[in-house]
Parts: sequence; C-alpha cells; structure tokens
Amino acid sequence: GAVVSQHPSRVICKSGTSVKIECRSLDFQATTMFWYRQFPKQSLMLMATSNEGSKATYEQGVEKDKFLINHASLTLSTLTVTSAHPEDSSFYICSARDLLSTGELFFGEGSRLTVL
Amino acid sequence: QKEVEQNSGPLSVPEGAIASLNCTYSDRVSQSFFWYRQYSGKSPELIMSIYSNGDKEDGRFTAQLNKASQYVSLLIRDSQPSDSATYLCAVDRYNFNKFYFGSGTKLNVKP
Repeated sequence: GAVVSQHPSRVICKSGTSVKIECRSLDFQATTMFWYRQFPKQSLMLMATSNEGSKATYEQGVEKDKFLINHASLTLSTLTVTSAHPEDSSFYICSARDLLSTGELFFGEGSRLTVL
Repeated sequence: QKEVEQNSGPLSVPEGAIASLNCTYSDRVSQSFFWYRQYSGKSPELIMSIYSNGDKEDGRFTAQLNKASQYVSLLIRDSQPSDSATYLCAVDRYNFNKFYFGSGTKLNVKP
C-alpha cells in the first residue's frame, strides 16, 4: 500500500513554544491530506483537511490560528501547534488519500506531543 | 445521530474463534467503506476496503457490505492474540472527500 511518513514521532516541548509536524506521501501525490488528533482511549478526531495550494478547512471547534496547516506541495503537509499548552498534549496523526489509485486513506505513524 | 456507529466493546473471543465486528452508517450516499486496525499507541492501518454489496475476502478477513441496511461488518476467522486491537470502521461520502470514522470496537483475543 501507499506510504505516508510523519515526523517527528515524539516531541516534548515547553509551554508557550511552537512545534511543527511534517507529513509526507512517499510514493504518491496527495492533493488532500487530513490531520487527526487522538486522546488516550478515545477515537480519532478530524482537525482539518489540508488542500494543496489553498487554505486548510478546519472542523468546528478547532482553532485555525493555533493549529497552522500548510500544504505547499503535493507530497508535504505540515501542522504547526503554536504557543503550545499542556492541554495540547496528544497524539497527532496525518493521513492522505491516493486518489489516482484506490482512493484509500493511509495514515502516517503519528506524532506524540507532550507539552510541559 | 453519528455518521458511523460501532459498538465500543470490548469484544472478547477465544483464540481460533471467529470475531464479528459490526458498523452502521447514516448517509445512504456513502460509497466506500473501510476497516482499519489500531494497536494501542500506534496509528491506524488499513485492513480492508469494500465498495459494492456482498462479501470480500482477504486471507482471514472478510468484509461484508449491505447498502440497503446501511451496514458493514468485518469477520476475522481463526482469531489470534495478535489480532487484539481496536478496529475502526470508516465511511467515505461521495464527493465530499472526507472520511467519517466510528469510535472503534476493541477486540480481545484470549489465548
């Protein structure tokens, strides 16, 4: 299946700093990528849909100024958590669709963010 | 009403038994259906996709789709302890390019 790579897998930062997470589709072009957040023992929560070359579409309740998404190329989307606080600590997962093939959604490995 | 509903479980089955996981969805225009497996602390991995009514088999896994009843299921034959995980059902609404996930069913396969 298609490969989606996410980096870093783990990050610890101090409160008030910003953290950038990268998501790359390695063997296909992804015009759309999705960012999810998952708290322990809870289900995936879609945060935003990242569209190549245009603004991201955020789900209701997700602060677009806090979670900055950039999708500058067909293989790379980034999520920046700005002015992070301990309540932002979570598991962030990106995903991408291979629309030219099966249309299936493939996930990155996830990034576990801990804000001290 | 949630877009996709799953029983949270846990569903416990003995090793070697058949595990049956169920999912219902609310939107009749949904076109594509997927099952993902997620181990604790890991991201989801795709197990099966199904697009038309009926059964689709892949190894020990069989996905079943009934669009009239808005129901999709996953059968795992000869369950192994390594199958213990949370199984997520996902539905893709036509032309919306958005996946809706169920909350997942936790499966425990006991040795």
